[in-house]
Amino acid sequence: AQTVTQSQPEMSVQEAETVTLSCTYDTSESDYYLFWYKQPPSRQMILVIRQEAYKQQNATENRFSVNFQKAAKSFSLKISDSQLGDAAMYFCAYLTSGSRLTFGEGTQLTVNP
Amino acid sequence: ETGVTQTPRHLVMGMTNKKSLKCEQHLGHNAMYWYKQSAKKPLELMFVYSLEERVENNSVPSRFSPECPNSSHLFLHLHTLQPEDSALYLCASSQVGRGSEKLFFGSGTQLSVL
Repeated sequence: AQTVTQSQPEMSVQEAETVTLSCTYDTSESDYYLFWYKQPPSRQMILVIRQEAYKQQNATENRFSVNFQKAAKSFSLKISDSQLGDAAMYFCAYLTSGSRLTFGEGTQLTVNP
Repeated sequence: ETGVTQTPRHLVMGMTNKKSLKCEQHLGHNAMYWYKQSAKKPLELMFVYSLEERVENNSVPSRFSPECPNSSHLFLHLHTLQPEDSALYLCASSQVGRGSEKLFFGSGTQLSVL
């Protein structure tokens, strides 16, 4: 079974600084997708960034980028120029070919002004 | 707004009640999902419907009964629930197909079972 591990229950960052959230996963599949979702207090689960395992290039979405290390099964999220609105629970997730999305336990990010 | 709407936002029910959660997606997707989010636990996949057929039931107790009448609507019928069923129930949808895999979530229904 696939598992997703987020080893940092909580992280904090100063506004305008950079923070990296860690995620590792375990799978025997070679073709899959990885995601970072953000859940603010509104509870809406918002897709932040998506990575296809067959692509070597790291995905980037504005201030959000990933460091995808397929051999190490690592998928970290870097948030640059952190903003107050980035404060949320961040979930790493793994998607199998059968569209089963497995989530990590989440990292609560606090942004300090 | 992600195009996935869930109602109600909050629900309080007794253990003998029967209620239903509703989810509607306006994205033209062909798959819909129910997830359960409990405190201190990862999101748990409950049910998956693909092309209106249930393709997964993750050992969910029979007191939870899903229904997918068409590709845009998904229900979760609840009866005889237990206090440990109190959680946030999230609906999601996706377009299953190569290169399109990403899930869009609703805002959830916060369920409290008394």
